Amino acid sequence: AQSVTQLDSQVPVFEEAPVELRCNYSSSVSVYLFWYVQYPNQGLQLLLKYLSGSTLVKGINGFEAEFNKSQTSFHLRKPSVHISDTAEYFCAVSDTGGFKTIFGAGTRLFVKA
Amino acid sequence: NAGVTQTPKFQVLKTGQSMTLQCAQDMNHNSMYWYRQDPGMGLRLIYYSASEGTTDKGEVPNGYNVSRLNKREFSLRLESAAPSQTSVYFCASGGDFSYEQYFGPGTRLTVT
Repeated sequence: AQSVTQLDSQVPVFEEAPVELRCNYSSSVSVYLFWYVQYPNQGLQLLLKYLSGSTLVKGINGFEAEFNKSQTSFHLRKPSVHISDTAEYFCAVSDTGGFKTIFGAGTRLFVKA
Repeated sequence: NAGVTQTPKFQVLKTGQSMTLQCAQDMNHNSMYWYRQDPGMGLRLIYYSASEGTTDKGEVPNGYNVSRLNKREFSLRLESAAPSQTSVYFCASGGDFSYEQYFGPGTRLTVT
């Protein structure tokens, strides 16, 4: 069975500082990995995904993530955050069938002025 | 192009009442999904439909039924609502070869 652990429930950070949101997964099979963002009172939207190929994945809004197979991690990073990045971020994993996606509990990012 | 739409946006039910949550997508996706979101638990898959005419259980199917009415529409029914079903419900559709999901705006359901 697959599982996803987001290591921080809340991350406060000052505007223009770098941020890393941590995600570890467990699976006995090959997986696809995703980061989604949820702004208040909205649905989720995709930030980036890893299906295969380069382990460094770039997404929207200046975010990137690195797939590390040996450490079973997929941490999300941004070199300089903005107030508008305040949201909840979800790491997710699916098997290569793609239908059953498991989401982490989420990390709330607070960007302070 | 509206993407994924859900109705209603808000609903309050009494224990034992029934209701159907509606979902439609206009992206011609084959797969559709229903999730519930509870504080501190992320999203949990209730049911999914890999293609028109098929449905399968997800992680938390008890107390729910689904219908894939056609390629566009996927409804979720609560036959006898319970307070434990108080949650925010999201419908999503899936890109066929991209594996990403596109989410609706959600339905906030309260069962008293």
